[in-house]
Amino acid sequence: QSALTQPASVSGSPGQSITISCTGTSSDVGGYNYVSWYQQHPGKAPKLMIYDVSIRPSGVSNRFSGSKSGNTASLTISGLQAEDEADYYCSSYTSSSTSYVFGPGTKVTVL
Amino acid sequence: EVQLLESGGGLVQRGGSLRLSCAASGFTFSSYAMYWVRQAPGKGLEWVSAISGSDGSTYYADSVKGRFSISRDNSKNTLYLQMNSLRAEDTAVYYCAKGSSYYYDSSRPLDPWGQGTLVTVSS
Repeated sequence: QSALTQPASVSGSPGQSITISCTGTSSDVGGYNYVSWYQQHPGKAPKLMIYDVSIRPSGVSNRFSGSKSGNTASLTISGLQAEDEADYYCSSYTSSSTSYVFGPGTKVTVL
Repeated sequence: EVQLLESGGGLVQRGGSLRLSCAASGFTFSSYAMYWVRQAPGKGLEWVSAISGSDGSTYYADSVKGRFSISRDNSKNTLYLQMNSLRAEDTAVYYCAKGSSYYYDSSRPLDPWGQGTLVTVSS
């Protein structure tokens, strides 16, 4: 049972913007600016898309952006493209455990 | 370019053992903590274990503590995961990933990840 919650699925049409939420508590998402987001295409390895809430690694499209409000972090994909169809996982530091924590994942479908 | 290449997966009977390897290149291997993360079929990501750069500090998820052992050979740029007393629920793709700092730090992102190796435990 993950300490973080994500919607099971989010969908949107090409060109639209979608937002994926990652909800935790004040012991993790809300208390620290240490949220990361990973993209995983079927049969492929996860890829880091965002870290420290809103920082994009070199090479990641600026269509991907991250933010946080209270105990909820969000990943927004702007100008949705077919190639964005994938699973997305959030991860957050937690003071409640020494473990590395991932959210359950969100499947993004491009209609 | 940083590259991670896992190997050693396969089919093993319940109660058996397996050792996974992860060959690293493109960075100073001994300067970074390394991680194992697994993904059961159709399920999400689960952190398994981590090891610091060269001081040997190791960390485990409760689900594998006492059964799995992580190690590294910095002279060979290789990470290992020794898995003993395997259970059906250990069936998963196992990924190795590079940390962002010398020490294990759950606040730091994992980047990049290897392509994974599949471990299947039969009952």
